[in-house]
Amino acid sequence: AQTVTQSQPEMSVQEAETVTLSCTYDTSESDYYLFWYKQPPSRQMILVIRQEAYKQQNATENRFSVNFQKAAKSFSLKISDSQLGDAAMYFCAYNQGAQKLVFGQGTRLTINP
Amino acid sequence: DVKVTQSSRYLVKRTGEKVFLECVQDMDHENMFWYRQDPGLGLRLIYFSYDVKMKEKGDIPEGYSVSREKKERFSLILESASTNQTSMYLCASTAGGRPPYEQYFGPGTRLTVT
Repeated sequence: AQTVTQSQPEMSVQEAETVTLSCTYDTSESDYYLFWYKQPPSRQMILVIRQEAYKQQNATENRFSVNFQKAAKSFSLKISDSQLGDAAMYFCAYNQGAQKLVFGQGTRLTINP
Repeated sequence: DVKVTQSSRYLVKRTGEKVFLECVQDMDHENMFWYRQDPGLGLRLIYFSYDVKMKEKGDIPEGYSVSREKKERFSLILESASTNQTSMYLCASTAGGRPPYEQYFGPGTRLTVT
């Protein structure tokens, strides 16, 4: 079964600095999708960024980018110019064909002003 | 925008009570999901549904059942609530067809069983 591991339960960063959240996954498939979701305090979970495994180019969305290392099964999220509104739980998730997602344990990100 | 709503943000129930958690989505999505979220464990899939009246067990279905009588509504039922079912429950939906299957989440229901 596929598994997703986020080894950093908590991270903190100074406002305007850059932070990287780690995620590794285990799969024997070659075609799949990876996601980072953000869950702000008391607010709905929203999609931050996604990556198709067949694409070599790393996905970017404004200040958010990923470092996708397929051979290493690693999918880290980099947040540049951190803002107070980035404070949230971040979940890495894996999707292989079927509609189900497998989630990691989550990383709580704190932004220090 | 896709909207997924859940009937309650906070719920307190007693052990042994029958509990209904309701989820409604307004984007005609085929697929709906129920997760529970616990610290350090992430989100774990309880049940999901690919179509009306269809359901499939997820990773932790014990103690739960579901109902999907209409496409837009997916209910999670705790037949006899227990204290170990105290948790945050999240509903999600996604369209069918081709991947990637981005899931859209509701705000969650924090259930406390005393």
